[in-house]
Amino acid sequence: DAMVIQNPRYQVTQFGKPVTLSCSQTLNHNVMYWYQQKSSQAPKLLFHYYDKDFNNEADTPDNFQSRRPNTSFCFLDIRSPGLGDAAMYLCATSGGSGGRNEKLFFGSGTQLSVL
Amino acid sequence: AQSVTQLGSHVSVSEGALVLLRCNYSSSVPPYLFWYVQYPNQGLQLLLKYTSAATLVKGINGFEAEFKKSETSFHLTKPSAHMSDAAEYFCAVSDYGGATNKLIFGTGTLLAVQP
Repeated sequence: DAMVIQNPRYQVTQFGKPVTLSCSQTLNHNVMYWYQQKSSQAPKLLFHYYDKDFNNEADTPDNFQSRRPNTSFCFLDIRSPGLGDAAMYLCATSGGSGGRNEKLFFGSGTQLSVL
Repeated sequence: AQSVTQLGSHVSVSEGALVLLRCNYSSSVPPYLFWYVQYPNQGLQLLLKYTSAATLVKGINGFEAEFKKSETSFHLTKPSAHMSDAAEYFCAVSDYGGATNKLIFGTGTLLAVQP
């Protein structure tokens, strides 16, 4: 029944070594979001896709990139991870027709550690 | 700009006791407000939402929240706590504008339920 699936659940990378986190959805939703949640902090939106249109938040570092090759999949690429990028990364989706009223569906997250 | 503040990062109640989790918002436009719950090792799930209709909103699992404009609050309550309510709870406000629902989250409140 899993609708938003994130792999892997835990990811360990080395300082400066590129890493990719993946998210897939079976809901056929137009919108996919990536949030970063550091320990004891609020989840923070990094960017989102409306269909193929990419929308970056103003304060998202250039080190973070994203790809959405099709409706079902979205990837988060961290080009040169630093120690400060260790966090839980949450993927979410929404239908895209209800605006501020829409429910978001979240994956279980990927916990990234940087050594 | 929109924001939410959750008072109390940790709340502990006894089983059967009232649950009260506090959330205050700041918004330059009529807010859309949400409560999400995160159980261990799971993604965030929507508990309830306020979208300018009834000020008392009922959600899943016996939770409800009341929107009070005069107090800029949207506190979450449940009359009788159950052990299964132990989780982290996030208040969120929808960022204004666009066709998507970009949520701005609070820092979360971890609810512990003692037997």
